[in-house]
Amino acid sequence: AQSVTQLGSHVSVSEGALVLLRCNYSSSVPPYLFWYVQYPNQGLQLLLKYTSAATLVKGINGFEAEFKKSETSFHLTKPSAHMSDAAEYFCAVSAIQGGSEKLVFGKGMKLTVNP
Amino acid sequence: NAGVTQTPKFQVLKTGQSMTLQCAQDMNHEYMSWYRQDPGMGLRLIHYSVGAGITDQGEVPNGYNVSRSTTEDFPLRLLSAAPSQTSVYFCASSYSGGAATEAFFGQGTRLTVV
Repeated sequence: AQSVTQLGSHVSVSEGALVLLRCNYSSSVPPYLFWYVQYPNQGLQLLLKYTSAATLVKGINGFEAEFKKSETSFHLTKPSAHMSDAAEYFCAVSAIQGGSEKLVFGKGMKLTVNP
Repeated sequence: NAGVTQTPKFQVLKTGQSMTLQCAQDMNHEYMSWYRQDPGMGLRLIHYSVGAGITDQGEVPNGYNVSRSTTEDFPLRLLSAAPSQTSVYFCASSYSGGAATEAFFGQGTRLTVV
């Protein structure tokens, strides 16, 4: 079954520092992978998605992620953190379960940005 | 452009009470789904629908019912609320349930069962 793993639940960085959020996937077929962001007291919104067109995917707000098949990873990065990046980030994979395709989410990673 | 609208935003229920969480979308999406979000658990799929009149169970369906009489609406019913159903509930919709399709989420309903 397709799944994603986000190790840890919380990461803290200083403003201006590199943001790196890790995601590893498990899939027997080429996966479709997503990163969603949830700002406090809001719903989730799509940051970026990988659909096999390019291994380096650029998203909104300066985030990008690189698909690495050899490492089964899809880590999210941003060169310079901003205070407004403080949020919870979810990695997700499109999985076939019960004959239908569904989004399967990781447990999430809360990002704190310190001034 | 409203997107996905959930009501109510907050609700407190007593154990054993029933209620319906409302979800409506105005994007003419066929696929709609309900998730619950619990600390450290991520989002878990409760029920989903691939079109009007068609629903199916997700990962954690027990204690919840759904129906889909129109493309726009997908209500979630709690039949007899239990403290274990205290959670934040999100409704989502997408053009299809297929791969690479962006899901649009509502703002959530924070439910407390006492």
